[in-house]
Amino acid sequence: DIQLTQSPSFLSASVGDRVTITCRASQDTNSYLAWYQQKPGKAPKLLIYAASTLQSGVPSRFSGSRSGTEFTLTISSLQREDFATYYCQLLNSFRYTFGGGTKVDIK
Amino acid sequence: VQLVQSGAEVKKPGASVKVSCTASGYTFTSYDINWVRQATGQGLEWVGGMNPNSDDTASAPKFQGRLTMTRNTSITTAYMELTSLRSEDTAVYYCARADYYSYDAFDIWGQGTVVTVSS
Repeated sequence: DIQLTQSPSFLSASVGDRVTITCRASQDTNSYLAWYQQKPGKAPKLLIYAASTLQSGVPSRFSGSRSGTEFTLTISSLQREDFATYYCQLLNSFRYTFGGGTKVDIK
Repeated sequence: VQLVQSGAEVKKPGASVKVSCTASGYTFTSYDINWVRQATGQGLEWVGGMNPNSDDTASAPKFQGRLTMTRNTSITTAYMELTSLRSEDTAVYYCARADYYSYDAFDIWGQGTVVTVSS
């Protein structure tokens, strides 16, 4: 089974900062990679699918990219409402795998 | 478009739990329903999923043998039953819709059902 290694596990940032979160697959894979945002006590929210396609209604400061087995979520200018935990998710061979999560906290 | 889940459950070790997920606002049989759980302070874990049209299912290996997913299309409701519960199964269980047009990402989520396993 493919493993997803997400990094960092935690990051502290300020409003306006550019933030990058990485998800590395353990082997070559497809682009059925999604990113989610989760706030405490709430269900996750889909941000990006197919590695780089922005979900409808999601602000354009969020973007995704892929280079080989490394997938990246970038927030171009962090806003107060972006402080949350982010997860990557991969669909491969009819099974889903989540990354371990990245908590983005206020510096 | 929404998914509404059944209420919180408290079960003893060894018992079973059945969680429901009722869909509205879209064609129930056109989208897979998946189940994801999250223990307190932990990350997301995919449990399994089903195609409400074909009844095909897939699940994470660790749940095979304990997990049953069913649906009732007449009331647009999916069910997840987990048997032989242990304390490690204590978590919030979410149902989520997989959107084929979004590369099967989970675009709609239920509100979550807290399942507590305790003697």
